Amino acid sequence: DIQMTQSPSSLSASVGDRVTITCRASQGIGVALAWYQQKPGKIPTLLIYTASSLHSGVPSRFSGSGSGTDFTLTISGLQPEDVATYYCQKYDSAPFTFGPGTKVDI
Amino acid sequence: EVQLLESGGGLVQPGGSLRLSCAASGFIFSGYAMSWVRQAPGKGLEWVSGVTGGSGTITYYADSVKGRFTISRDNSKNTLFVQMNGLRAEDTAIYYCTSRPGPEMGPLDYWGQGALVTVSS
Repeated sequence: DIQMTQSPSSLSASVGDRVTITCRASQGIGVALAWYQQKPGKIPTLLIYTASSLHSGVPSRFSGSGSGTDFTLTISGLQPEDVATYYCQKYDSAPFTFGPGTKVDI
Repeated sequence: EVQLLESGGGLVQPGGSLRLSCAASGFIFSGYAMSWVRQAPGKGLEWVSGVTGGSGTITYYADSVKGRFTISRDNSKNTLFVQMNGLRAEDTAIYYCTSRPGPEMGPLDYWGQGALVTVSS
């Protein structure tokens, strides 16, 4: 099975900073990658699909890029409401594995 | 508005069984792929099982539950199920029902509030 890794596992940044999270697949998955945000005590929400497409209602400061094995989620101008754990997920084929998550603090 | 409402969670002894249900509304249930995702206390997300929508249904399972869990759907009742047998302590988690618009497996657009399953003696 394809394994998903994320780095870093956690980070702390200041309001307004540009934040980049990396997700890596152990084998190529094309662009079949999604990113989710889970705020403390809340259910996860979809941010990005097909590696770079912004889900409806997601602020434009979020962006995604990558293909194959290496992907990034970027927050351009971190806001206090972005404190959350971010997960990537592959969906090219089963199993539809999540990455271990990246916790973002202010 | 899409709504997913899980039920059936609770406390069960190791080796026991439990069936979770997810009542869906606000969309054409039969046409949507559905999945179960779980989250152990303080841990990350784990995809558990999924079923395609449309005319022919295909089921998928994580290795950790294969042979013990069975996913199914009743399109006449707009309900998703997962039958969990041979439960272990490591199955303790919040179980989320999720869906996506379209019959094929893909990104998870919609999430329920979750049902807590605790496996303990």
